[in-house]
Amino acid sequence: DQQVKQNSPSLSVQEGRISILNCDYTNSMFDYFLWYKKYPAEGPTFLISISSIKDKNEDGRFTVFLNKSAKHLSLHIVPSQPGDSAVYFCAASMSGRRALTFGSGTRLQVQP
Amino acid sequence: NAGVTQTPKFQVLKTGQSMTLQCAQDMNHNSMYWYRQDPGMGLRLIYYSASEGTTDKGEVPNGYNVSRLNKREFSLRLESAAPSQTSVYFCASSGMRVDNYGYTFGSGTRLTVV
Repeated sequence: DQQVKQNSPSLSVQEGRISILNCDYTNSMFDYFLWYKKYPAEGPTFLISISSIKDKNEDGRFTVFLNKSAKHLSLHIVPSQPGDSAVYFCAASMSGRRALTFGSGTRLQVQP
Repeated sequence: NAGVTQTPKFQVLKTGQSMTLQCAQDMNHNSMYWYRQDPGMGLRLIYYSASEGTTDKGEVPNGYNVSRLNKREFSLRLESAAPSQTSVYFCASSGMRVDNYGYTFGSGTRLTVV
């Protein structure tokens, strides 16, 4: 049973608009969440993270929101750029364990 | 460039053949990991090594073995390859805490078993 779920396999947005990528989790023991970005033929690279004690973290054009009661987090990209076209993975960790649990990924396509 | 290096980048095996995927990191990280990526399944943990001298099973360990050769190197071995092991394999490393920056990943090994 997947503990981290990304229910949208793909998303297409216009350049300059907002991209919103969603992630749900089932394990209430998760206390840290991360987003990774992956280009074809490359390994995933870290994008942004959030601790469970916060509900928002912002880094430039990227903002992650966490709703603990709903066990839901989202990544907002504003404004979206063609270079943001990639697969985005949501990941979660829990205290005392270094291994991350990943979602299945969402492919974002930003149209010029 | 500093980071995680995986070899080979591509490999085709026949069913029943064996091979070892190599991984080395130069960031002085304590922990190393092997994941596989399959369409619609995301990244699934095969094995990890929290520190030199220790290894633990992840979500999908069957058919694989690992060796933490030293702090830098963590290899993944397929003793008798099966078509179900066709996948892209990623090695990663992390410091004592995975928060803040999480893992650093290698560029992957694309393995096809025919």
